[in-house]
Amino acid sequence: GAGVSQSPSNKVTEKGKDVELRCDPISGHTALYWYRQSLGQGLEFLIYFQGNSAPDKSGLPSDRFSAERTGGSVSTLTIQRTQQEDSAVYLCASSSGVNPYEQYFGPGTRLTVT
Amino acid sequence: SQQGEEDPQALSIQEGENATMNCSYKTSINNLQWYRQNSGRGLVHLILIRSNEREKHSGRLRVTLDTSKKSSSLLITASRAADTASYFCATAQGYTGGFKTIFGAGTRLFVKA
Repeated sequence: GAGVSQSPSNKVTEKGKDVELRCDPISGHTALYWYRQSLGQGLEFLIYFQGNSAPDKSGLPSDRFSAERTGGSVSTLTIQRTQQEDSAVYLCASSSGVNPYEQYFGPGTRLTVT
Repeated sequence: SQQGEEDPQALSIQEGENATMNCSYKTSINNLQWYRQNSGRGLVHLILIRSNEREKHSGRLRVTLDTSKKSSSLLITASRAADTASYFCATAQGYTGGFKTIFGAGTRLFVKA
């Protein structure tokens, strides 16, 4: 079946502009995660959605970052007033209720803020 | 802050040799996982070991976990050029209502043909 998809694959934006990144999880997966990966680094946890529960936003680096998940499926990560330090690859993952610890990752969105 | 810390940061070996990567973590965990990331397939889950397990095998992969030392190791036997990738450990920390997965900075493995 289809895996996790993300769009756009690449985004170049000017400093100060807002961007929206989209994630389509695997159908039926109840959990959805957003991570950020800077060049040559590990993954930085951003936010976690589980079913209808309130999301765990503890990883969001500032109030310029927000995310929502509509209808328990598609998620959008929004970064307002982008800064150069926001440049990174943003990865989305989903997991099922049966095997919640095995995360399936999308290909990521490479964000470049100029 | 990152929970897992892998070492070495980079490892270069010849095809056919074994590769060992280590991961240390700081807090109590539910389980520990290893993931692989390469340019072709992105980030892929390899293996999960629970906190009450000490060793687990999957094909050419062998994972050990020592909760008293808060460390894990990933051994890849008979390495192949296709094993060239970054390998990350990830720990699942439980809390009321859910859990959080924290990734380490990764080990870059180069397997020379």
